[in-house]
Amino acid sequence: SAVISQKPSRDICQRGTSLTIQCQVDSQVTMMFWYRQQPGQSLTLIATANQGSEATYESGFVIDKFPISRPNLTFSTLTVSNMSPEDSSIYLCSVEDGEGTKNIQYFGAGTRLSVL
Amino acid sequence: QQPVQSPQAVILREGEDAVINCSSSKALYSVHWYRQKHGEAPVFLMILLKGGEQKGHDKISASFNEKKQQSSLYLTASQLSYSGTYFCGTEIESNDYKLSFGAGTTVTVRA
Repeated sequence: SAVISQKPSRDICQRGTSLTIQCQVDSQVTMMFWYRQQPGQSLTLIATANQGSEATYESGFVIDKFPISRPNLTFSTLTVSNMSPEDSSIYLCSVEDGEGTKNIQYFGAGTRLSVL
Repeated sequence: QQPVQSPQAVILREGEDAVINCSSSKALYSVHWYRQKHGEAPVFLMILLKGGEQKGHDKISASFNEKKQQSSLYLTASQLSYSGTYFCGTEIESNDYKLSFGAGTTVTVRA
């Protein structure tokens, strides 16, 4: 299974600023995903990022707020723009690294973001 | 649409068994089970494809009833290491690789 590294692991930011989160994978993968997890709650998909195409956003998430880059098959970034306290959350990336018809996602450890 | 998980929480003593349920209102292609410990990444446990198969991972197993769009995770002879929050993730028939996760079930195993 793929090994995923996320940076930073945590950050405290001021409202109105932006933070870019990096996701690095140790092997080439086609599909990467970005999730948000409020403390103690479930995982909510923000967007799907495939190399060579525009990211696909889920309902309630927009590119201006969460721009995503996917420059190659091992790396992606998520930017949280113009932050407010409501953006305080854990942001996780995952990659699809399944076998045949089994679409298995593996997760990074997440970035814990606090906005003051 | 988010699958429904039950129970919300369960407390066990070592050696006891538990069942976690996950149900969907939509036809499913697959069900995925993850365990997450506090402050850590969700860890993949197993995937079940439609076909009613039952999978196992050590003393943790799961089943998938595709007619009812329900899956159950069975924790047998629980160990302290089983503590954590269990999430089911569902993938719908369109097979677009996207997972919808349930709200989670917090399992606490005590000595």
